[in-house]
Amino acid sequence: GAGVSQSPRYKVAKRGQDVALRCDPISGHVSLFWYQQALGQGPEFLTYFQNEAQLDKSGLPSDRFFAERPEGSVSTLKIQRTQQEDSAVYLCASSLVLAGSGEQYFGPGTRLTVT
Amino acid sequence: AQSVAQPEDQVNVAEGNPLTVKCTYSVSGNPYLFWYVQYPNRGLQFLLKYITGDNLVKGSYGFEAEFNKSQTSFHLKKPSALVSDSALYFCAVRSRPKIIFGSGTRLSIRP
Repeated sequence: GAGVSQSPRYKVAKRGQDVALRCDPISGHVSLFWYQQALGQGPEFLTYFQNEAQLDKSGLPSDRFFAERPEGSVSTLKIQRTQQEDSAVYLCASSLVLAGSGEQYFGPGTRLTVT
Repeated sequence: AQSVAQPEDQVNVAEGNPLTVKCTYSVSGNPYLFWYVQYPNRGLQFLLKYITGDNLVKGSYGFEAEFNKSQTSFHLKKPSALVSDSALYFCAVRSRPKIIFGSGTRLSIRP
């Protein structure tokens, strides 16, 4: 079946621009996660949704980062006024069950480069 | 706080030889551990998980992991490596609601 999809796969933004990254989770998956993966490092948690509710946003690095999942399926991660340190791969993951109860299925990621 | 450590940045193994990728953990409470693999330009793929029960966990692609409570380790193993196993491997631990990943170990299998 279809896995988690993300778009765009690559995004180049000039410093100061706003960007929006999209995630389509596996159909029926309750939980959705966003992670940030810097070059040569492991993914780091940004935020978590259970259906449409954002239950944890403790990993968002600044108030320039905003995520939403208004209908409990597709999610968008928005970064305002991008900075060079925002350059990373942004990974989306979904899980069939409530957070922490099962494995997460990851999308291919969006590679963001801020110039 | 939950954490995992992967002491090796890179592991090199000849095809056909056994492989081990090391991971140690630090948790409060019972550990809930994972291994994921990342191929170039692809997302992370789940390999296996340990919740409770048998200390030897079997997963995808012939991989297995050994949970050792006394040594707080969760090493990934495979009896006979394939060139196609070359990838980046992450050990991870549950810290509700998220997963905390290690820094990764690059596995390189030479023909």
